Amino acid sequence: DVQLVESGGILIQPGGSLRLSCAASGFTISSIYMSWVRQAPGKGLEWVSLVYSSGSTYYADSVRGRFTISRDNSKNTLHLQMNSLRAEDTAVYYCARGSSSWPPVYFDYWGQGTLVTVSS
Amino acid sequence: EVVMTQSPATLSVSPGESATLSCRASQSVGSNLAWYQQKPGQAPRLLIYGASTRATGIPARFSGSGSGTEFTLTISSLQSEDFAVYYCQQYNNWPPWTFGQGTKVEIK
Repeated sequence: DVQLVESGGILIQPGGSLRLSCAASGFTISSIYMSWVRQAPGKGLEWVSLVYSSGSTYYADSVRGRFTISRDNSKNTLHLQMNSLRAEDTAVYYCARGSSSWPPVYFDYWGQGTLVTVSS
Repeated sequence: EVVMTQSPATLSVSPGESATLSCRASQSVGSNLAWYQQKPGQAPRLLIYGASTRATGIPARFSGSGSGTEFTLTISSLQSEDFAVYYCQQYNNWPPWTFGQGTKVEIK
């Protein structure tokens, strides 16, 4: 069975850095697209970042230059390095699996999410 | 960027009735449209992809239709477990992958 388990969310001060992790099982993350999607409290879903099976990466304008998506293939784990955090980055961060290794892709499996709170 | 607009924001429906949710794209996305269901405190769950194909394990009372810029999710004979927020998402023109703002289906 496909499973995605996020971790790393905490309360952190503005300007701080944080790394989120998503441990995957039931499939190999390097063979498929993987993404991060976030949801601010009481708000809708916002796509954040995606990594292709080839390793190419994409970012939302709101996080480009501050966030970095990466994979640890040996541990089958996806990461999101978050720097220069702002209050508006406060959200539940979901790891989501892409539906295939070729576009177009939707997100067929989601983790339970990890809460990041940016506040002084 | 493709802007996705859902209507209505809230839909009040009695159990056993049907619900029709709309999603409009600011430009054509072909049939590359997905629907997700989200219950309070839970992650989104994929319901429909390719505008009309039900995901694995999704009951037949959920159906999707449309193409281009206009899409519909219909839930026939609403069950108690169907009261939730529903999001549409386009995956035709990316990045970014964009979501609608959601429609909340509540008990009337």
